[in-house]
Amino acid sequence: DTGVSQDPRHKITKRGQNVTFRCDPISEHNRLYWYRQTLGQGPEFLTYFQNEAQLEKSRLLSDRFSAERPKGSFSTLEIQRTEQGDSAMYLCASSLGRRNQETQYFGPGTRLLVL
Amino acid sequence: AQSVAQPEDQVNVAEGNPLTVKCTYSVSGNPYLFWYVQYPNRGLQFLLKYITGDNLVKGSYGFEAEFNKSQTSFHLKKPSALVSDSALYFCAVRDMIEAGTALIFGKGTTLSVSS
Repeated sequence: DTGVSQDPRHKITKRGQNVTFRCDPISEHNRLYWYRQTLGQGPEFLTYFQNEAQLEKSRLLSDRFSAERPKGSFSTLEIQRTEQGDSAMYLCASSLGRRNQETQYFGPGTRLLVL
Repeated sequence: AQSVAQPEDQVNVAEGNPLTVKCTYSVSGNPYLFWYVQYPNRGLQFLLKYITGDNLVKGSYGFEAEFNKSQTSFHLKKPSALVSDSALYFCAVRDMIEAGTALIFGKGTTLSVSS
């Protein structure tokens, strides 16, 4: 079963450092999403790619955040100059389709702790 | 604006009893509705979705949900709860018409099934 995979699963960093997370979607899924989940909350949308094009960005995605999907396959999410408020679970999801009714399948997440 | 409310932070039920996890939504158009389950330190697993058609939707692990347009609700149900159903459950919505692909999640409801 080749579901959505994320790496690393856990990351501890010091405030001010840069971190990068990777997401490998389900093979042939053209859509890829990043969400952030903090304790006691549901996931919140960060950004969305259709193939290699980043088509939507949430206002939650500050200038310190950047995401790429260079060849329309895997994606990376980079956070520069991390802050303690960035501590959260970062979830990646993928889907196949062109309409909004398709199901998003989620990876296991990367848990970030900023000290 | 789209929103989802899960009015109960926690639902407690005895094994073998029926369970209901409540969800209400607000969208400007017609909704696509989803239920996901999250186990500790894991990503979200898809349970079921409502797109159109029959108001009663059947999903994984014996779960079902009923779409009620007049009450703008999409409650998750199961006739007989199992201890292994204990987890965090999220309801999510997308608007069919409003632009954007993001899922809007509720805050989640913790289901605790006692033996």
